[in-house]
Amino acid sequence: KQEVTQIPAALSVPEGENLVLNCSFTDSAIYNLQWFRQDPGKGLTSLLLIQSSQREQTSGRLNASLDKSSGRSTLYIAASQPGDSATYLCAAPDSNYQLIWGAGTKLIIKP
Amino acid sequence: NAGVTQTPKFQVLKTGQSMTLQCAQDMNHEYMSWYRQDPGMGLRLIHYSVGAGITDQGEVPNGYNVSRSTTEDFPLRLLSAAPSQTSVYFCASSFDSVWTDTQYFGPGTRLTVL
Repeated sequence: KQEVTQIPAALSVPEGENLVLNCSFTDSAIYNLQWFRQDPGKGLTSLLLIQSSQREQTSGRLNASLDKSSGRSTLYIAASQPGDSATYLCAAPDSNYQLIWGAGTKLIIKP
Repeated sequence: NAGVTQTPKFQVLKTGQSMTLQCAQDMNHEYMSWYRQDPGMGLRLIHYSVGAGITDQGEVPNGYNVSRSTTEDFPLRLLSAAPSQTSVYFCASSFDSVWTDTQYFGPGTRLTVL
């Protein structure tokens, strides 16, 4: 059964730094790996989806990578800004149509 | 294009009451899902639909009913509310399945059952 883990649970960095968020999964037979952000009291916003056949995806200052052999995905945020402060979640679908979610990393960017 | 809309935003119920959480999308998405989000538990799938007239159970379906009579709407019914159903409920939709496509989420409904 697929399990998804995110470490650390929280991260605080100064504005302008480049940073990496980590996501680990146990089943390498993965369909895709999805990254979302959630702002307090709000819904989830899709950031990037990496298909199983892909190694990485980029959107603006965000770059997500997928390494199935090691069971890891990383979300790289370049030149962080206070507006990037949010909880970042990764998820992978299983064979039962369920998205298996990590617990999230709460990111705080200090001005 | 409103995306995924949910009503109400907040709701307080007494144990045993019933209610319907509304979800609508205007993106012509075939796939729609309901999740609940609880502290320390993450998001869990309640029910999902792969098209009008077709629904299926997710991880935590007990106490909830769904139907999908149109492509746009996917209401979630609580039959007899219990305190364990206190949670934040999110509706999501996608053009294709979770195996190939990302999901668009609504803003959520915060439900408290007393």
